[in-house]
Amino acid sequence: DTEVTQTPKHLVMGMTNKKSLKCEQHMGHRAMYWYKQKAKKPPELMFVYSYEKLSINESVPSRFSPECPNSSLLNLHLHALQPEDSALYLCASSPPGIRGDCTFGSGTRLTVV
Amino acid sequence: AQKVTQAQTEISVVEKEDVTLDCVYETRDTTYYLFWYKQPPSGELVFLIRRNSFDEQNEISGRYSWNFQKSTSSFNFTITASQVVDSAVYFCALNRFQGAQKLVFGQGTRLTINP
Repeated sequence: DTEVTQTPKHLVMGMTNKKSLKCEQHMGHRAMYWYKQKAKKPPELMFVYSYEKLSINESVPSRFSPECPNSSLLNLHLHALQPEDSALYLCASSPPGIRGDCTFGSGTRLTVV
Repeated sequence: AQKVTQAQTEISVVEKEDVTLDCVYETRDTTYYLFWYKQPPSGELVFLIRRNSFDEQNEISGRYSWNFQKSTSSFNFTITASQVVDSAVYFCALNRFQGAQKLVFGQGTRLTINP
């Protein structure tokens, strides 16, 4: 199993809603990532979890709240988002060490209305 | 600061032509990794290759080849005999390892292969 699975694939939410994005991998990877990708732009790192602990937060607004319940799951909780937060949210995972290549999921395409 | 520049925003060629995607990077690290990823319309980023800073050997994989030149800080990607299925956005990325991978991506090159 060499996949990173993200759900849902598409999400439309209002600015007052609370929603969650989910990511799952069963490759035994111990690092998991959230990236944000705006249209026609490259992915930008948001958060990194290493061994289920938050190791990198790239100054992301608090309306985005990550959670890593176990080594296979990664969630991104969304609350009070703005229309400019509409983007493709990509999850990735990698094995430990500098040679660990990231495997990306297909992403959740989020629209905030 | 780390930076990756892909000067070609869009490239359009006819099928079977060869095409080269350019990538220039900046880093002060002596140990680093460079990557190429492919992003088809479906959205996922597909890993193509990793090259470390100590290995300047060029690599060929089928129709794909990569030329890494440390002297010019470039890591270019060539597709030989392009096919319509090669149409995608291609990203070059530089890695700084901080306990986990921290990828810095270039702006991407949108490649269109016309039949």
